[in-house]
Amino acid sequence: NAGVTQTPKFQVLKTGQSMTLQCAQDMNHEYMSWYRQDPGMGLRLIHYSVGAGITDQGEVPNGYNVSRSTTEDFPLRLLSAAPSQTSVYFCASRRQGPYGYTFGSGTRLTVV
Amino acid sequence: QQQVKQSPQSLIVQKGGISIINCAYENTAFDYFPWYQQFPGKGPALLIAIRPDVSEKKEGRFTISFNKSAKQFSLHIMDSQPGDSATYFCAVTQGYQKVTFGTGTKLQVIP
Repeated sequence: NAGVTQTPKFQVLKTGQSMTLQCAQDMNHEYMSWYRQDPGMGLRLIHYSVGAGITDQGEVPNGYNVSRSTTEDFPLRLLSAAPSQTSVYFCASRRQGPYGYTFGSGTRLTVV
Repeated sequence: QQQVKQSPQSLIVQKGGISIINCAYENTAFDYFPWYQQFPGKGPALLIAIRPDVSEKKEGRFTISFNKSAKQFSLHIMDSQPGDSATYFCAVTQGYQKVTFGTGTKLQVIP
């Protein structure tokens, strides 16, 4: 059982470049989210989705886009990378109701 | 505004001791309170969770204590072991949708 799969694990981008972080889950979870983790700031919600075709913004959405065309996939797009987007990005999914998240192993992104 | 405040930022405990991490929240609409454990280079993993109609939940050496009137909940790790050394995050959820995390506590258990 794969759980939540994130690719790539590491990425270096130049300022202004765009890219897509991939996230896929095989547990048929309705809810999926993207978080970024920065030292001393915990996990901050970027975007989330409560089902295919439904997405909403979290607390730090600027510079990022998402879409949810299938239950399994929830890609995160960086439109024009900035050094402030250097971070570790985690995708997570969970069942509807009072259940915890299953996290992916993360993508470490550096923007130079 | 910060929806959940976690303390301490770091904690050093001797092997066999009790580790205690606290979280405080403001919004009484929160209805699910999980704790996550994260080892270096890994994603967070669900450790234990509680709902507000229960004051305490225990799973092995890990216990959540929940004080609804004080709007606080805490994680207690009994008989702490070096393998428990990790970063711990509390979280709060409203309507089973958005999940907001605390800033994390780095626990070090020394032999």
